[in-house]
Amino acid sequence: DAKTTQPPSMDCAEGRAANLPCNHSTISGNEYVYWYRQIHSQGPQYIIHGLKNNETNEMASLIITEDRKSSTLILPHATLRDTAVYYCIALGGGSQGNLIFGKGTKLSVKP
Amino acid sequence: NAGVTQTPKFQVLKTGQSMTLQCAQDMNHEYMSWYRQDPGMGLRLIHYSVGAGITDQGEVPNGYNVSRSTTEDFPLRLLSAAPSQTSVYFCASSYFLAGGQETQYFGPGTRLLVL
Repeated sequence: DAKTTQPPSMDCAEGRAANLPCNHSTISGNEYVYWYRQIHSQGPQYIIHGLKNNETNEMASLIITEDRKSSTLILPHATLRDTAVYYCIALGGGSQGNLIFGKGTKLSVKP
Repeated sequence: NAGVTQTPKFQVLKTGQSMTLQCAQDMNHEYMSWYRQDPGMGLRLIHYSVGAGITDQGEVPNGYNVSRSTTEDFPLRLLSAAPSQTSVYFCASSYFLAGGQETQYFGPGTRLLVL
């Protein structure tokens, strides 16, 4: 599975959009981009995933560049409860679903 | 649905003691896994299973044993605890697809302290 690179930390004002970048320049054609988050001391929580097209659900939007070498997770109206560590993971065929977590991005939403 | 449950929530062991961390899921998921998380780090895969009777090693399997006799349960055994095994342990489950594209559900974690 491809390695991903994320900034270690980001701040966001409450009510504003939070844009979390992820670089996955070695991603292969059958690898999906997954985002999970971990709120302090809890188990990770699935947010969204995508292959080529942009995706949106009730939690967030995922924008994947056309060359698929990077992506951005967008939380449209961040709240204090969105303060968490966000993990970007590339996962594809043959991996048997084993997630490889890096250190992620610590997002701090401030009032 | 209770989802993924883990017991105990917290445990203190002495070096050399053994114990079993329990994990159960009620979603009929084929895939189950165990991760450990050390302070300031991401999660690292210990062992995983793609179905009853099938287990395999992850990134950091040494010092841990697993078995999968039922779809619902996936216990993690520490045969002789060491201080290096002090960590937070998370269990996860999902449906299993050959392509690996299925979201995983995580339990609340077990905090283990080995003295």
